[in-house]
Amino acid sequence: QQQVKQSPQSLIVQKGGIPIINCAYENTAFDYFPWYQQFPGKGPALLIAIRPDVSEKKEGRFTISFNKSAKQFSLHIMDSQPGDSATYFCAASITGNQFYFGTGTSLTVIP
Amino acid sequence: KAGVTQTPRYLIKTRGQQVTLSCSPISGHRSVSWYQQTPGQGLQFLFEYFSETQRNKGNFPGRFSGRQFSNSRSEMNVSTLELGDSALYLCASSLYWEFEYGYTFGSGTRLTVV
Repeated sequence: QQQVKQSPQSLIVQKGGIPIINCAYENTAFDYFPWYQQFPGKGPALLIAIRPDVSEKKEGRFTISFNKSAKQFSLHIMDSQPGDSATYFCAASITGNQFYFGTGTSLTVIP
Repeated sequence: KAGVTQTPRYLIKTRGQQVTLSCSPISGHRSVSWYQQTPGQGLQFLFEYFSETQRNKGNFPGRFSGRQFSNSRSEMNVSTLELGDSALYLCASSLYWEFEYGYTFGSGTRLTVV
């Protein structure tokens, strides 16, 4: 059973576009929601994270929107660049316990 | 500051063999977690060690085991390899088990079972 459901599986946008990746969860005990970025041949790298007491968090061009009542959260990438082409994973955890990852979204930004 | 180091980077093994993978966490990090990454299943949690003790274990068969040494370095072992064990095995370290700042992942060990 997938604890965190992620969509879409793949995404292609033009440079400057705003790709949006969505995740949904069921376990209301989750209290930490990070996003990871992975390039080929590398391990995932933490991009940005949010806790459920906040509805939005921005770090540079990356924004997490969090909807606690809907049990959904999403990643927005503003002014996307070809260098943002990578696989993105959402995750959820209960503090101090394992992370449950989404299945990933392959993003391609066309110049 | 050195990152998480995993060795070897690539490994080819035959069905039925066993394999040991190594992970050196960031200096000072005491928590080490292991994940299996496959195209179909994504990242699946194997286990987590903190101060040489296994704190959490995922839903994998007993063929998968691990340990952590006093210097926080960790190893995972897979015995009686199966074709389905072919995957990228990722190690991640964190300062404490609270994961407040998330994990730092290594680049992984690509295991191919033939």
